[in-house]
Amino acid sequence: NAGVTQTPKFRILKIGQSMTLQCTQDMNHNYMYWYRQDPGMGLKLIYYSVGAGITDKGEVPNGYNVSRSTTEDFPLRLELAAPSQTSVYFCASSKDRELDTQYFGPGTRLTVL
Amino acid sequence: KNEVEQSPQNLTAQEGEFITINCSYSVGISALHWLQQHPGGGIVSLFMLSSGKKKHGRLIATINIQEKHSSLHITASHPRDSAVYICAVEGSGGGADGLTFGKGTHLIIQP
Repeated sequence: NAGVTQTPKFRILKIGQSMTLQCTQDMNHNYMYWYRQDPGMGLKLIYYSVGAGITDKGEVPNGYNVSRSTTEDFPLRLELAAPSQTSVYFCASSKDRELDTQYFGPGTRLTVL
Repeated sequence: KNEVEQSPQNLTAQEGEFITINCSYSVGISALHWLQQHPGGGIVSLFMLSSGKKKHGRLIATINIQEKHSSLHITASHPRDSAVYICAVEGSGGGADGLTFGKGTHLIIQP
């Protein structure tokens, strides 16, 4: 199993541009999450999904959108990039919601200039 | 909202030393996770525990639910243990809202 994969690994955007961060897992996990990690801060939840077709907001959803059309894929969309979205983005998945290990992707380092 | 505090923020030790990293949280939880973030950035889950103690190799994690406190211990530390160790908690409120994370403890083990 490849686990959780993310693309791209690095990206530089200009203010106002849009992009999609891709996340795929091959473990047939129901739950998927997007987190962002800012320097000196703990990871914060952006969006999560409890299964195909079901998504919900986390702690810091503004400026982002997600979709979950399949069990495997959970893309994160930035519509109008802003410097405040400069961060490292991690996708994670777990089989169950509670009391289950979360598996993390390698991360995407995004810079908005 | 749960507040997760880790201490120390930074720790430098010599190879072979016994390491302790602490985590405290403010609101009751269903589980606590210890994660390791490698210098390259990848995050790996080390432990998930809701009570008592777990051991894996040289790593030991304990939790005291009444005191809302957990510790991660590393015995016979080695330079390859150098990483950021992150504590994260799952709420017990029933919503599927992911984990709440501490800011991490940056550990350096010198040869």
